[in-house]
Amino acid sequence: DAKTTQPPSMDCAEGRAANLPCNHSTISGNEYVYWYRQIHSQGPQYIIHGLKNNETNEMASLIITEDRKSSTLILPHATLRDTAVYYCIVRVAGRGSTLGRLYFGRGTQLTVWP
Amino acid sequence: ETGVTQTPRHLVMGMTNKKSLKCEQHLGHNAMYWYKQSAKKPLELMFVYSLEERVENNSVPSRFSPECPNSSHLFLHLHTLQPEDSALYLCASSQEWTSIDTQYFGPGTRLTVL
Repeated sequence: DAKTTQPPSMDCAEGRAANLPCNHSTISGNEYVYWYRQIHSQGPQYIIHGLKNNETNEMASLIITEDRKSSTLILPHATLRDTAVYYCIVRVAGRGSTLGRLYFGRGTQLTVWP
Repeated sequence: ETGVTQTPRHLVMGMTNKKSLKCEQHLGHNAMYWYKQSAKKPLELMFVYSLEERVENNSVPSRFSPECPNSSHLFLHLHTLQPEDSALYLCASSQEWTSIDTQYFGPGTRLTVL
């Protein structure tokens, strides 16, 4: 799977949009971009994923650049409960012994302050 | 509430003890996973089960013994652990064992080995 690069930490004021960047310059055509987050001492939580098009759900929006080498996760109105480590993961589509794994990396610690 | 439960939430054991971690998923999924998260390290995939059959074992020491009696339950049997095995152990499930399916994580078991 392609590697990802994320800033180690970011801050955001409550009520403002949080924009979390991710670089995946070696991504290949059949690799999806996934975002998970992990609130302290809890299990990771799925947020959103996409292949080429921008995606939006009740939690966040995912913006993928046209060349697919980077993406941005947007939390439109951050709250204190959004404080967590956010992981950007790229994964190849399909079955197989190495394809089922999620490589979480270090992620970005997002801190939302009042 | 993700539909994946883990018990116990906290466990303290000595190096000569034998204990078991339990995971149960209420989502009707066919694949289940054990992950280990040590302090300041990324999540590490330990085992993958698909339809009660182990499909991946990532060079995990034999003192960790998984068991999957049915597609809803997953156990991790522990014996003669070392202090460095202290970590957060996370269980996850997904519809199928493919890289596309979203994985849903339990809250984890915080294990301390004395």
